[in-house]
Amino acid sequence: LAKTTQPISMDSYEGQEVNITCSHNNIATNDYITWYQQFPSQGPRFIIQGYKTKVTNEVASLFIPADRKSSTLSLPRVSLSDTAVYYCLVGDNRNYGQNFVFGPGTRLSVLP
Amino acid sequence: DADVTQTPRNRITKTGKRIMLECSQTKGHDRMYWYRQDPGLGLRLIYYSFDVKDINKGEISDGYSVSRQAQAKFSLSLESAIPNQTALYFCATSDPDGGRNGYTFGSGTRLTVV
Repeated sequence: LAKTTQPISMDSYEGQEVNITCSHNNIATNDYITWYQQFPSQGPRFIIQGYKTKVTNEVASLFIPADRKSSTLSLPRVSLSDTAVYYCLVGDNRNYGQNFVFGPGTRLSVLP
Repeated sequence: DADVTQTPRNRITKTGKRIMLECSQTKGHDRMYWYRQDPGLGLRLIYYSFDVKDINKGEISDGYSVSRQAQAKFSLSLESAIPNQTALYFCATSDPDGGRNGYTFGSGTRLTVV
């Protein structure tokens, strides 16, 4: 079971780029890295998933170094509406649900 | 309509009562999950089901039971509710190919046991 470590909280200002790093030193060969966003009283929302190198979608980018022991979620030009909790999950998609653990996440506060 | 619908949205119940939380999904996925979230904490897996005939315990299944009535429906029951089961409960579903697009969560049920 790949344990993840991420900062408990971060502050940023509107318009800045925000990078949230997650450590997962014991990631397994078949594990993928997935990031979720959660607003208060809502269910988490899938943001992005990757296996190695860089993945980009319309919302964020995910950077994964060659050793895969960490990953960085990058949110370009954040706005107040990006204030949320961000979770990093690591696990094997073939057994999705059996070994995915949502830790406390990173609480991002975007200030005006 | 939402992809994953949970009912009720809010519920207050008394200690010792049996309560059922319901979940239905329109994604057509085989995989469904129940999670619990306590204030300031992450989500913990209660039960999961990979198809109609498959039920598995998660990290914190004690005091809970589930029923997979159909591919689209997955219910969570608290046999005898206790105050420390007060929490936000989420149902989720994932792709049949193992979740390449992640989980899709419902909006949650806020349960208070008094």
